[in-house]
Amino acid sequence: GENVEQHPSTLSVQEGDSAVIKCTYSDSASNYFPWYKQELGKRPQLIIDIRSNVGEKKDQRIAVTLNKTAKHFSLHITETQPEDSAVYFCALRRIIQGAQKLVFGQGTRLTINP
Amino acid sequence: DAGVTQSPTHLIKTRGQQVTLRCSPKSGHDTVSWYQQALGQGPQFIFQYYEEEERQRGNFPDRFSGHQFPNYSSELNVNALLLGDSALYLCASSLLSAPLSTDTQYFGPGTRLTVL
Repeated sequence: GENVEQHPSTLSVQEGDSAVIKCTYSDSASNYFPWYKQELGKRPQLIIDIRSNVGEKKDQRIAVTLNKTAKHFSLHITETQPEDSAVYFCALRRIIQGAQKLVFGQGTRLTINP
Repeated sequence: DAGVTQSPTHLIKTRGQQVTLRCSPKSGHDTVSWYQQALGQGPQFIFQYYEEEERQRGNFPDRFSGHQFPNYSSELNVNALLLGDSALYLCASSLLSAPLSTDTQYFGPGTRLTVL
């Protein structure tokens, strides 16, 4: 019950358009949902996160929405730019006996076409 | 403010050998988690160290072991290397001690391990 399903696996959009990546999960105890961006050969970098007590969070061109009832959360990138091209991972946090671990989705390779 | 650092950057080993990877957490953090990222996949949780103890372990065999030192830095050891152990090994640091505990895990640059 700790899998995170992420879709799509690849996404290609025109520069300036919006991109949406969706993740679904089954662990109803999860209460923290971060999104990481990983450029080729680089470390995963946190770009936005959301906690279960809110339904939406926005940071400039990036927003995340969470539907706890339906157990899915989504990343929205508006006005995409070439530098947004990367692999994006959703994740959720599981807390087990005081320890925390992140469970990641399979990743979405986003390509922004100029 | 120093970020998460890892060493070495790259490593090439042969099957059956042993390897030790190192991680220094972000300044002010007390917890180190280790992840394995195979090519084209998301990171998989190996284990987490807090207060010099292994607090939680993922679905990895006992060949994978670790240690945390009093300065919060950590090592990941892998014995009897297999070809399938080839991956990017990431450590992530966070702060668990109350009252300033945080949810966020910050990743290091990783160590690329190749097993031949």
